[in-house]
Amino acid sequence: AQTVTQSQPEMSVQEAETVTLSCTYDTSESDYYLFWYKQPPSRQMILVIRQEAYKQQNATENRFSVNFQKAAKSFSLKISDSQLGDAAMYFCAYRGTTSGTYKYIFGTGTRLKVLA
Amino acid sequence: DVKVTQSSRYLVKRTGEKVFLECVQDMDHENMFWYRQDPGLGLRLIYFSYDVKMKEKGDIPEGYSVSREKKERFSLILESASTNQTSMYLCASHGAYEQYFGPGTRLTVT
Repeated sequence: AQTVTQSQPEMSVQEAETVTLSCTYDTSESDYYLFWYKQPPSRQMILVIRQEAYKQQNATENRFSVNFQKAAKSFSLKISDSQLGDAAMYFCAYRGTTSGTYKYIFGTGTRLKVLA
Repeated sequence: DVKVTQSSRYLVKRTGEKVFLECVQDMDHENMFWYRQDPGLGLRLIYFSYDVKMKEKGDIPEGYSVSREKKERFSLILESASTNQTSMYLCASHGAYEQYFGPGTRLTVT
């Protein structure tokens, strides 16, 4: 069975600095998708970034980028120039392609604090 | 923009009550999901539905049931609420590339 592990329950970063959130996963599938979702306090969960496993190039969305290491089964999220609005819970998620469903497996989350 | 709405943001129920949580999406998505979110446990899948009247159990279905009579609406039912079902409940629907989430319902069972 697939698993997703986020080993950092909480992280802090100074405003304008860079922070990296870690995520590892375990799967026997060769084709899959990985996601980072953001859940701001008392607000809706939204997608930050998405990576297809067959793409070697790391996904980037403005200040957010990932370091996808398929062999190591690692999928970290880098936030550059951190802003106060980046403070949130961040969840790493996995979706396989062999089950024929759109089921996601989520990690336990990392709470990011941004210090002014 | 995709919109996923949930019937209540906060709900307080008594032990033994039957509880209905409703979720509506406006993008004609076939796949819809109910999760439970607890601190330190992340999101755990309760049930999902891939079409009207079609459903599958997720990882923690015990104590819950679901109903999908119309494509846009997916309901989570707690047949007899218990205190260990106090939690945040998130609904999601799946579009072409991602899951879209509702705002969540924080349920307290006393």
